[in-house]
Amino acid sequence: SQQGEEDPQALSIQEGENATMNCSYKTSINNLQWYRQNSGRGLVHLILIRSNEREKHSGRLRVTLDTSKKSSSLLITASRAADTASYFCATDAPDSSYKLIFGSGTRLLVRP
Amino acid sequence: EAEVAQSPRYKITEKSQAVAFWCDPISGHATLYWYRQILGQGPELLVQFQDESVVDDSQLPKDRFSAERLKGVDSTLKIQPAELGDSAMYLCASSPTPYEQYFGPGTRLTVT
Repeated sequence: SQQGEEDPQALSIQEGENATMNCSYKTSINNLQWYRQNSGRGLVHLILIRSNEREKHSGRLRVTLDTSKKSSSLLITASRAADTASYFCATDAPDSSYKLIFGSGTRLLVRP
Repeated sequence: EAEVAQSPRYKITEKSQAVAFWCDPISGHATLYWYRQILGQGPELLVQFQDESVVDDSQLPKDRFSAERLKGVDSTLKIQPAELGDSAMYLCASSPTPYEQYFGPGTRLTVT
């Protein structure tokens, strides 16, 4: 079963624009992570935000977490064609042995 | 840079046949995961190993799937017999800490 739901399911933007993806989840969490997956490849870890954090930055990435709304957003600024990929949020719940539950993903297309 | 290795990358098999996937995690990573990813969805955990011990196999269809990590290093996931619904990407991941998982390129299985 999938814990998270990403919104939108697909996003198409022009190079240089910002891309925002949202993730909603159902149960309380320890941490929330974002991963990127290029077509037909494995996932790459992007960023982790803990349940007691509200915002985190890494390069062109900005992640926010609102535990009261059980939601997170990933912002990619100044997008590049190489950012074209699927993006997944993943959560781990308390007492779950850090088992990750992935959302259904957002497919991002950055047009050159 | 060390990577998780998986083989084969692609496998086509007929239903009712047996199929096996192999994973070699990053050296020193005690935790190893097998995920199944159906097209258009996020990965779903099948089994988690800590060294050679199974930590979580609650989502593994044990009537047909088996996984082993005999020496606590590489791992094999087997399906016997394969069914049409098993067509998916099978991803292996390893981690040095509970938080960040490193994924291999995956094995794309097609059951005909």
